[in-house]
Amino acid sequence: AQSVTQLDSHVSVSEGTPVLLRCNYSSSYSPSLFWYVQHPNKGLQLLLKYTSAATLVKGINGFEAEFKKSETSFHLTKPSAHMSDAAEYFCVVTGSYIPTFGRGTSLIVHP
Amino acid sequence: ETGVTQSPTHLIKTRGQQVTLRCSSQSGHNTVSWYQQALGQGPQFIFQYYREEENGRGNFPPRFSGLQFPNYSSELNVNALELDDSALYLCASSLGRVNSYNEQFFGPGTRLTVL
Repeated sequence: AQSVTQLDSHVSVSEGTPVLLRCNYSSSYSPSLFWYVQHPNKGLQLLLKYTSAATLVKGINGFEAEFKKSETSFHLTKPSAHMSDAAEYFCVVTGSYIPTFGRGTSLIVHP
Repeated sequence: ETGVTQSPTHLIKTRGQQVTLRCSSQSGHNTVSWYQQALGQGPQFIFQYYREEENGRGNFPPRFSGLQFPNYSSELNVNALELDDSALYLCASSLGRVNSYNEQFFGPGTRLTVL
């Protein structure tokens, strides 16, 4: 069994300030974890993935995430938000060919 | 390189009807997965097709069925539509089965409304 909990349904930041989107998971398998972004009227796009290599994973557009096994967390961060980062973000855990998505976090970026 | 495409973009059906949604996978990809995304929710995995066979299924009833063709395009069929089937249906393709390593490439989705 596996599950994903995205701890915030909405996160609001000012442009140029850091971004933190939180994700906790549970999995009976050795987990692989992903972050996807969904812009309005566009398909989901992969930001980054953790596949049991380095625990700090760097993705596209300046995003990164750290896998913490002891905390069962995979939080997404970015040092400085840009207006174009406003979107819906999904944390995903995959085990045995069945991906499980979190409910999503809406990132709002204020000028 | 052509990305994942889905048709139609929008669809309105009435309860009890049947619907077919279509997906063309990205060039070179042999695996297609289908997801249902209800409003305000994350995508839920329906099933995956790998080399024309169903390979993994989420918690959806048998009235959700699919096909994958030799060119790796795919159809999602839903029979006896219910109001709760109203959602965005996403198709994703990948090179190889969905597992720890394979990135999925998503289409823009088909918005299904059941009245």
